[in-house]
Amino acid sequence: QSALTQPASVSGSPGQSITISCIGASSDVGAYNFVSWYQHYPGKAPKLMIYDVRNRPPGVSNRFSGSKSGNTASLTISGLQAEDEADYYCSSYRTGGLWLFGGGTKLTVL
Amino acid sequence: QVQLQQSGPGLVEPSQTLTLTCDISGDSVSNNTAGWSWIRQSPSRGLEWLGRTYYRSRWYNDYPASVKGRIIINPDTSKNQLSLQLSSVSPEDTAIYYCARLVGMSASMLAWFDPWGQGTLVTVSS
Repeated sequence: QSALTQPASVSGSPGQSITISCIGASSDVGAYNFVSWYQHYPGKAPKLMIYDVRNRPPGVSNRFSGSKSGNTASLTISGLQAEDEADYYCSSYRTGGLWLFGGGTKLTVL
Repeated sequence: QVQLQQSGPGLVEPSQTLTLTCDISGDSVSNNTAGWSWIRQSPSRGLEWLGRTYYRSRWYNDYPASVKGRIIINPDTSKNQLSLQLSSVSPEDTAIYYCARLVGMSASMLAWFDPWGQGTLVTVSS
């Protein structure tokens, strides 16, 4: 059982928007703006998509955005494209010097 | 561009020690504004952070309670690489293991992992 809770799967049609939630606690997601999101194609290295809740690294499409409210962080992908179909993981720092991950969400583009 | 290249055996016998290395290019393992971590992924545990090493005038290590006592993460400055040793392995340690650079807005608060290595599937079985 992962420390951060994500839905196992989400789906959407091309062009639509989807949101993936990441539920933590007051000692991690709720306490720090140190939430990051990763895109993972099986067999490949995970790729950083969002850091510090809402910041995009260079080269990441502005269709990807992040936010946080209380103990819940969210990743929104707008204008869904077939290439967005992948697994997505959230991560957060937790008090005490520990990094946590969510269980992952499989995004299907219909 | 920072790249991480992992190597190591894909099969380890129960009770033995799992050893992996991660060659770093484009950065230094001694970078005093970053850290270096190992992370694993398994169907039962999902993604699990295994620990980090980092240099701030001297070397530091942090490990989560789940593996503390069994794990050593070592930097090798002469080869610019990172190693992982996990002892007394059992089938529960079967996973894909990743090395990753841990970075942040400041050297004192590292927050995200970028980049990651390609991953190494390690199976614990006799």
